[in-house]
Amino acid sequence: ETGVTQSPTHLIKTRGQQVTLRCSSQSGHNTVSWYQQALGQGPQFIFQYYREEENGRGNFPPRFSGLQFPNYSSELNVNALELDDSALYLCASSRGTGAGNTIYFGEGSWLTVV
Amino acid sequence: RKEVEQDPGPFNVPEGATVAFNCTYSNSASQSFFWYRQDCRKEPKLLMSVYSSGNEDGRFTAQLNRASQYISLLIRDSKLSDSATYLCVVTRSGANNLFFGTGTRLTVIP
Repeated sequence: ETGVTQSPTHLIKTRGQQVTLRCSSQSGHNTVSWYQQALGQGPQFIFQYYREEENGRGNFPPRFSGLQFPNYSSELNVNALELDDSALYLCASSRGTGAGNTIYFGEGSWLTVV
Repeated sequence: RKEVEQDPGPFNVPEGATVAFNCTYSNSASQSFFWYRQDCRKEPKLLMSVYSSGNEDGRFTAQLNRASQYISLLIRDSKLSDSATYLCVVTRSGANNLFFGTGTRLTVIP
C-alpha cells in the first residue's frame, strides 16, 4: 500500500464525452503527477501539480487539464474524449517536485473510450 | 528519438535461469536511473535505483554505463514470482518527471 488512492478504478466513456479522475496523495506529500499508460507502452508524463499550480507538462493537448486542492489531492480532467485516450491513468505523489524525490503510484484508473 | 529504449521481449525463461535486460537512454543530461517492476494490470513499483558503481539487491544486479548511455538489470536464479514487466526509467536535469521505457516482459516458466 502506497497511501495513494485513485478513483474510479474502472470506467467506460463514449467518444466526445468528458471524464474526471481523482487522486488522494500520500500523507505529507505536496506534489502530484499524472501519467498515461497505453496498452503495451510505458507511462507517459501528463503534468505535475505543486501548491495548486501546474508545475510542468508533457506532450499532451490542452483538453487534458488538472487541479490540485489545498489538501494536495488532485483531479485529472479530459474533454472531448478520443478512442486513443483509452489507457491506465496513474497518479503519483511525492514530497517535493524534483524527479529525484521518491514517488509513489496509486493503483490507477482504467479508462475505456468506445 | 525516444528518451528511453528497451527491448519489449517477451523473455520466457525457465526457473533458475539468469536473465539480463538492457536499456539505452538518449539524453546525456539524464541524472538518475531506476528499474521499476509492473505486474499485470497493476501500478509500477520501484525495484531498485541504478548507480554508476553498480548495485546489487539479492538476486538483482543493476549496472549503469554513462559513456554508452546504457543501463542493465540482471536477475539470477529466476523465480516464478519474477514474472512481470520491467520498466527502465530515467530522470534528467530540468524536468520534474520520470521518463519510462516501454518495458520488457518476463515470464518465468516452471
